[in-house]
Amino acid sequence: DIVMTQGALPNPVPSGESASITCQSSKSLLHSNGKTYLNWYLQRPGQSPQLLIYWMSTRASGVSDRFSGSGSGTDFTLKISSVEAEDVGVYYCQQFLEYPRTFGGGTKLELK
Amino acid sequence: EVQLVESGGGLVQPGRSLKLSCLASGFTFSNYGMNWIRQAPGKGLEWVASISSSSSYIYYADTVKGRFTISRDNAKNTLYLQMTSLRSEDTALYYCARRGITTFDYWGQGVMVTVSS
Repeated sequence: DIVMTQGALPNPVPSGESASITCQSSKSLLHSNGKTYLNWYLQRPGQSPQLLIYWMSTRASGVSDRFSGSGSGTDFTLKISSVEAEDVGVYYCQQFLEYPRTFGGGTKLELK
Repeated sequence: EVQLVESGGGLVQPGRSLKLSCLASGFTFSNYGMNWIRQAPGKGLEWVASISSSSSYIYYADTVKGRFTISRDNAKNTLYLQMTSLRSEDTALYYCARRGITTFDYWGQGVMVTVSS
């Protein structure tokens, strides 16, 4: 199974500052089609997860451009520029390359 | 608007069975793969099972293989999860999620399953 490992944030993050969340996969998520099958989700308190980023760096429909994804085949970063109150929650990375689909353990973002 | 509404959860004793449903609306259900994903209280997300649009391809997490069965009825726009031989570690909020391009692009609000004597 592909293991997804997420880093922690130095919480709380001051409002207006940027925050970067890291994620590592135990295997390259680069598909033969050239796309990297790494997704990011945000779960706000009391809500269902929502898709933020797919193919490592493509924002989902309606997602603010303050969110950006980057990385290589195994090391990934989600950057949130100018953190706002609505960004509070737990962020999950997830691989879609193979079954079983696996998630990182989550990274909590708190606002100062 | 895409909507996924789960139902069928509740309190069940260890070893018993329970069947979850997910009613889909706002999209052509028969065109999309579907998934069950769960979240134990205070824990992260765990993928449980996937089914393709025509039920031709089905996959399970090892933790539920042989005990859970995913199925769908495209005429009723409904996804199911039949859970048998339930264990305390199956206690979780169960989400129904649509498969996007290579994502889980829409999620329901979840249904709680509690396995306890």
